[in-house]
Amino acid sequence: QVQLQESGPGLVKPSETLSLTCTVSGGSIRSYYWSWLRQPAGSGLEWIGRIYFTGNTIYNPSLKGRVTMSVDTSKNQFSLKLNSVTAADTAVYYCARGGERWLQFDDWGQGTLVTVSS
Amino acid sequence: QSALTQPPSASGSPGQSVTISCTGSSSDIGGYNYVSWYKQHPGKAPKLMIYDVSERPSGVPDRFSGSKSGNTASLTVSGLQAEDEADYYCSSYAGSNNLIFGGGTKLTVL
Repeated sequence: QVQLQESGPGLVKPSETLSLTCTVSGGSIRSYYWSWLRQPAGSGLEWIGRIYFTGNTIYNPSLKGRVTMSVDTSKNQFSLKLNSVTAADTAVYYCARGGERWLQFDDWGQGTLVTVSS
Repeated sequence: QSALTQPPSASGSPGQSVTISCTGSSSDIGGYNYVSWYKQHPGKAPKLMIYDVSERPSGVPDRFSGSKSGNTASLTVSGLQAEDEADYYCSSYAGSNNLIFGGGTKLTVL
């Protein structure tokens, strides 16, 4: 079982870019698929996108091209950038490890709250 | 893609069984066998309980089972225990490299 830890600013201004990094420990990022998900307060989960260690990515179509994910295998990290944020992007953001396929998430980070506010 | 539909709440007494439904469409649940279920305690990260409709990850008690009929998936918790009280979320592959979730069900152990 790997451990995941999200890091990044907890406050982002409207129209700016949200940037988060997930550090993987206890295993190599050169396996499995890695995803970002988010959960607004009192609401359900939303899948944001997933990346493979090769850099291959797929994103949730609903985020309309605002998402970019990247991976740094030398640091065992992967990252999320979400641009043009609004208050609707305020949520707890989770990074997670995919299982046999990227469609389920076996291990999760503890989550980090990102608030969009001026 | 619309979210999957779950009842907002469910409840049962210790020892009883409870089933939580997750309704979608032929474009998601009905079209693929990629339904997962997650358990989430307040303030904590979700935990995978079921994947591929009915598969249990290692360490998940066999009191938890999943099934699917048509466009509806179900999670059944047998022999309810106090620690089963949590929020439960379903997810399904929705085609075109998209994954969607249900709105969540709060399970109360009476």
